[in-house]
Amino acid sequence: SAVISQKPSRDICQRGTSLTIQCQVDSQVTMMFWYRQQPGQSLTLIATANQGSEATYESGFVIDKFPISRPNLTFSTLTVSNMSPEDSSIYLCSAVSVASTGELFFGEGSRLTVL
Amino acid sequence: LAKTTQPISMDSYEGQEVNITCSHNNIATNDYITWYQQFPSQGPRFIIQGYKTKVTNEVASLFIPADRKSSTLSLPRVSLSDTAVYYCLVMDTGRRALTFGSGTRLQVQP
Repeated sequence: SAVISQKPSRDICQRGTSLTIQCQVDSQVTMMFWYRQQPGQSLTLIATANQGSEATYESGFVIDKFPISRPNLTFSTLTVSNMSPEDSSIYLCSAVSVASTGELFFGEGSRLTVL
Repeated sequence: LAKTTQPISMDSYEGQEVNITCSHNNIATNDYITWYQQFPSQGPRFIIQGYKTKVTNEVASLFIPADRKSSTLSLPRVSLSDTAVYYCLVMDTGRRALTFGSGTRLQVQP
């Protein structure tokens, strides 16, 4: 299995500012993803974090708004830029372990509130 | 990516068996069927995965008919702690990313 730690677990931010969420995995993983989950809703895939190259974004998400880094196999960051109240959500990091058969592990999420 | 359809909510009582059925009519040949459980304020947690027929682990069973256009998650003897949202997903084995549907909110009552 893989344990995924996210920081911060929650934050309250002002409109127009940016926040970077960190994701650390305790073991080697092949793929890492970022999801967003609004209260009471399902998860929406934002992007696939690619090691050493630009992330692959899903429809409706762009790099200028959600820049993502993945400098090595076990660490990734997601930045929410120029935040508005509509960005208030839970952001979840997930990964596929090299030792698994495709099982996706999730962090506990980072709850972001934009005022 | 194959789209999944499952009931929005289900109610049960402690000790009963719960079966949640999911349809995925457009599943591709190489796709796997995966179920996740999510408690409030936590990330989803893997329950079970299968390709065809029946898979069983210590938590649940997964039944997949020959045409693979649907699957049924079976939770034996549920308890109050099984109250959660259950997601049925089809995993693109190449891409690995999972597309989450609406999920089924299971409420277990005493």
